[in-house]
Amino acid sequence: DTGVSQDPRHKITKRGQNVTFRCDPISEHNRLYWYRQTLGQGPEFLTYFQNEAQLEKSRLLSDRFSAERPKGSFSTLEIQRTEQGDSAMYLCASSLTAVGNTIYFGEGSWLTVV
Amino acid sequence: SQQGEEDPQALSIQEGENATMNCSYKTSINNLQWYRQNSGRGLVHLILIRSNEREKHSGRLRVTLDTSKKSSSLLITASRAADTASYFCALLRVGNQFYFGTGTSLTVIP
Repeated sequence: DTGVSQDPRHKITKRGQNVTFRCDPISEHNRLYWYRQTLGQGPEFLTYFQNEAQLEKSRLLSDRFSAERPKGSFSTLEIQRTEQGDSAMYLCASSLTAVGNTIYFGEGSWLTVV
Repeated sequence: SQQGEEDPQALSIQEGENATMNCSYKTSINNLQWYRQNSGRGLVHLILIRSNEREKHSGRLRVTLDTSKKSSSLLITASRAADTASYFCALLRVGNQFYFGTGTSLTVIP
């Protein structure tokens, strides 16, 4: 257990529905990352926060994807109007600010869109 | 590409043998990290090597980094069945974003 927790671990939803995933990082970590991973592939960077500021969001897959970290602690990743291609594992990770610090991953949230 | 590329994509060895996997990249990096992932689970950090380092050891793991060739290797010595997993290199680039390769799937046969 790395200390990064994600909820829910598994989500099955119908196409067109909205889904939200939550990530609680390690408490003293001010950086928080979201990744997506499909079968047989490496994690794909989506976005990251430093405290409550979203410093990079150009890699979010479409405007249906959005992420927030309102108080600089937990974060949510929302996917609106889900499509079957959104089926994947969504990984959250956190780290301290200093360059070169290790990032610690949660166990991921599996999304299946039917 | 901003990602690393691991080689080989898949590796199968007998327990007790050494396993070597490689990561090549195209851009400058601050550091390179190796992660392990068991099927369906999150990633576990193994080792970090900074751009000014050439070799690091951690237990049965040995990592090398050649910035002139833009490549790194991960060596697992005396492999065990429990080492069966996917292994990824992750590049820390300017902007503090981590990019992962496609991974090497290692199978250690008891």
